[in-house]
Amino acid sequence: DAGVTQTPRHEVAEKGQTIILKCEPVSGHNDLFWYRQTKIQGLELLSYFRSKSLMEDGGAFKDRFKAEMLNSSFSTLKIQPTEPKDSAVYLCASSLGGGRYAEQFFGPGTRLTVL
Amino acid sequence: AQKVTQTQTSISVMEKTTVTMDCVYETQDSSYFLFWYKQTASGEIVFLIRQDSYKKENATVGHYSLNFQKPKSSIGLIITATQIEDSAVYFCAMSEASSSFSKLVFGQGTSLSVVP
Repeated sequence: DAGVTQTPRHEVAEKGQTIILKCEPVSGHNDLFWYRQTKIQGLELLSYFRSKSLMEDGGAFKDRFKAEMLNSSFSTLKIQPTEPKDSAVYLCASSLGGGRYAEQFFGPGTRLTVL
Repeated sequence: AQKVTQTQTSISVMEKTTVTMDCVYETQDSSYFLFWYKQTASGEIVFLIRQDSYKKENATVGHYSLNFQKPKSSIGLIITATQIEDSAVYFCAMSEASSSFSKLVFGQGTSLSVVP
């Protein structure tokens, strides 16, 4: 079975650009998560979808970050406009859901560099 | 609010020995789930093991086991007979059963280096 896929694997953007990161969850999974990982802050939850409904929109990340899930097998994370401090690894994860005990399956991540 | 703390930034051990990584957590909930994940050098994050707070027995999967001390809000990860390929960053995480959504809070991670 295919795991979580993310594209692109690497992205370089100029400050002020709009970038869109893509994620395909494991087939049949109901929950989808977007995380940002940096050395300083560690793993931070950006957005969480349950059955395509946005359940968590990331609090402090609201203003320039927008995650969408157009169908059960595809999600995007848009950052607009990008800033150098957005340089990080963006991870997508999915789980079967159905409970807080469900393990999450992570994608390989997209490494974003904003110049 | 939930909080997960891993105080060990990095650990180095000899191959084939046993290592314990510490994790303490804070929660107001009476029921919760604790997880350990591993991130390899390639960046891949994989689930290792889970402890349900209402279970007294420590979880065990392969050469991974947990030392769950509920009164101390502590969940240590024990790796026995370590191998070179166990070198990675290990994250402790928790989710609260009463939360309206399945949200994991992660610790900062412990970098494990297994040397020959």
